[in-house]
Amino acid sequence: GAVVSQHPSWVICKSGTSVKIECRSLDFQATTMFWYRQFPKQSLMLMATSNEGSKATYEQGVEKDKFLINHASLTLSTLTVTSAHPEDSSFYICSAAKGPSNQPQHFGDGTRLSIL
Amino acid sequence: RKEVEQDPGPFNVPEGATVAFNCTYSNSASQSFFWYRQDCRKEPKLLMSVYSSGNEDGRFTAQLNRASQYISLLIRDSKLSDSATYLCVVNMAPSNTGKLIFGQGTTLQVKP
Repeated sequence: GAVVSQHPSWVICKSGTSVKIECRSLDFQATTMFWYRQFPKQSLMLMATSNEGSKATYEQGVEKDKFLINHASLTLSTLTVTSAHPEDSSFYICSAAKGPSNQPQHFGDGTRLSIL
Repeated sequence: RKEVEQDPGPFNVPEGATVAFNCTYSNSASQSFFWYRQDCRKEPKLLMSVYSSGNEDGRFTAQLNRASQYISLLIRDSKLSDSATYLCVVNMAPSNTGKLIFGQGTTLQVKP
């Protein structure tokens, strides 16, 4: 089946650090990837839609200058949390779909970010 | 009102029980529907897509009622390994943007 890999799986950093998270589709090309965030005991919330070769589309309330997204190839999207603070601590998950919007998305294994 | 609503539970059931989860969605233009399973501190994994005609996969049966904007998941003969959070997921997007909206999840605990 489709495999989506995220790296790193766990990050602990000091406040003010910028953290880059990678999302790779290992066995298929993904024109579109999605970035979600999940706080404890809450559901996944879409942060942004990452489109290969163009600017990401951010959801309302998500700061594009804070969460930088780059989708430079059909198999890689990166999310950079700039100048991270403790309130940015969360579980960040990416997903990728093989084709049209009604195809199930496949999720990466998530990155747990803890900012001290 | 939340776009996708679920009863958070937890549902505590004995092994072998049948359990049903419900979900409602607010946007009548929603195009596709899924149930995902999420284990603690893990990523969500697709359990099954949901179709208007209803569909079954082993012990799992999903139903969609577009008129009522209601989705259900039935688990028969519950196993200990079914313990997880079940996420109702709706694809709101028209055409090809693929934006998923998640419910908050329903937690299931199957006990021996």
